[in-house]
Amino acid sequence: AQSVTQLDSQVPVFEEAPVELRCNYSSSVSVYLFWYVQYPNQGLQLLLKYLSGSTLVKGINGFEAEFNKSQTSFHLRKPSVHISDTAEYFCAVGYNNNDMRFGAGTRLTVKP
Amino acid sequence: DTGVSQDPRHKITKRGQNVTFRCDPISEHNRLYWYRQTLGQGPEFLTYFQNEAQLEKSRLLSDRFSAERPKGSFSTLEIQRTEQGDSAMYLCASSLDPRGNEQYFGPGTRLTVT
Repeated sequence: AQSVTQLDSQVPVFEEAPVELRCNYSSSVSVYLFWYVQYPNQGLQLLLKYLSGSTLVKGINGFEAEFNKSQTSFHLRKPSVHISDTAEYFCAVGYNNNDMRFGAGTRLTVKP
Repeated sequence: DTGVSQDPRHKITKRGQNVTFRCDPISEHNRLYWYRQTLGQGPEFLTYFQNEAQLEKSRLLSDRFSAERPKGSFSTLEIQRTEQGDSAMYLCASSLDPRGNEQYFGPGTRLTVT
């Protein structure tokens, strides 16, 4: 079965510390990979995506993610977080262009 | 603002009533998607359209749910005979590029069934 697993439901971190949000997926076919961010009472905003090519993908707000095909992972990283990065982060996997599966989300809380 | 818009933003209804939500996609986008998001979960795909054609509807939650996109522009999602379990955020997204399926989301409609 196709699934997306975000390994941490909550990640607390202090301001200016590095952070990694983990995402694993199950698939036997090629996929497209995405990270979205959701601020309270808002829709989802695309942070970055992997379609093909370089496995290290850079996105907005200083985030980056690395696609690891052998481990079927797409972890999100930021070297130094800000208070404004506090939000819910969703990993998503696109299959065959028509099916998008989302993980359950990771709540990132940045503390001063 | 040329993003995806949804109306209403909030809807409170009594159990058994019908509700309809509207989504206006980004104007040049030919694909439109509906999702449901419950508390503490990621969005759950419901259905999608390419222009006016509904190409996937097997994952609508029950036959009480239906969606239309009559002219290939805006779309409506209707829930008939609402139940308390229908309380959730309903998200709409649109896309242009079929490869990679990059979707742009609206702010959502929060439904509360009392």
